[in-house]
Amino acid sequence: AQSVTQPDIHITVSEGASLELRCNYSYGATPYLFWYVQSPGQGLQLLLKYFSGDTLVQGIKGFEAEFKRSQSSFNLRKPSVHWSDAAEYFCAGGGYNKLIFGAGTRLAVHP
Amino acid sequence: EPEVTQTPSHQVTQMGQEVILRCVPISNHLYFYWYRQILGQKVEFLVSFYNNEISEKSEIFDDQFSVERPDGSNFTLKIRSTKLEDSAMYFCASSETGANVLTFGAGSRLTVL
Repeated sequence: AQSVTQPDIHITVSEGASLELRCNYSYGATPYLFWYVQSPGQGLQLLLKYFSGDTLVQGIKGFEAEFKRSQSSFNLRKPSVHWSDAAEYFCAGGGYNKLIFGAGTRLAVHP
Repeated sequence: EPEVTQTPSHQVTQMGQEVILRCVPISNHLYFYWYRQILGQKVEFLVSFYNNEISEKSEIFDDQFSVERPDGSNFTLKIRSTKLEDSAMYFCASSETGANVLTFGAGSRLTVL
């Protein structure tokens, strides 16, 4: 069955530290892969997407993600976290017509 | 930047009542979706809609749910007889093609008492 797994429910980092949020997918073929961010009371904002080609994709707000087929992973990274990055982050994968979301990782940022 | 607009932002209803959640997708988008997120849980796919018909629906989308595009701009989700477990945030999304670059609205929070 198709699935997207985010192993970390909560992560806390200090402001200025680097960040990596993990995402693993299980699909028959290479899916389209996405990272969305949800701030409290807000909708889902697309950070970045991977369809094909270069496996390192750049997104908004200084985020990037790397697709690794051998590890079935699509981890999200940011070199230096800002307090405003505190939010919930969702990895999602899709075939035709629908997305399957991971359970989300809640990021807290300490000053 | 174009956005998906949802109304109402929050609705409280009594169990058994009908609810209609409204969405205005981005104007040149052709594919429309509803997702829901029960508090503290993951975002779940409900239904996709293209060319005035349902393309795909999940097992959650039972006979109590229906979707409609009543005019050229609105896309609605109707819950015929709400249950307590329908309490959730409902997200509308649209995409220009079926290649799944979805733009989500801010959500409609439904509380069933």
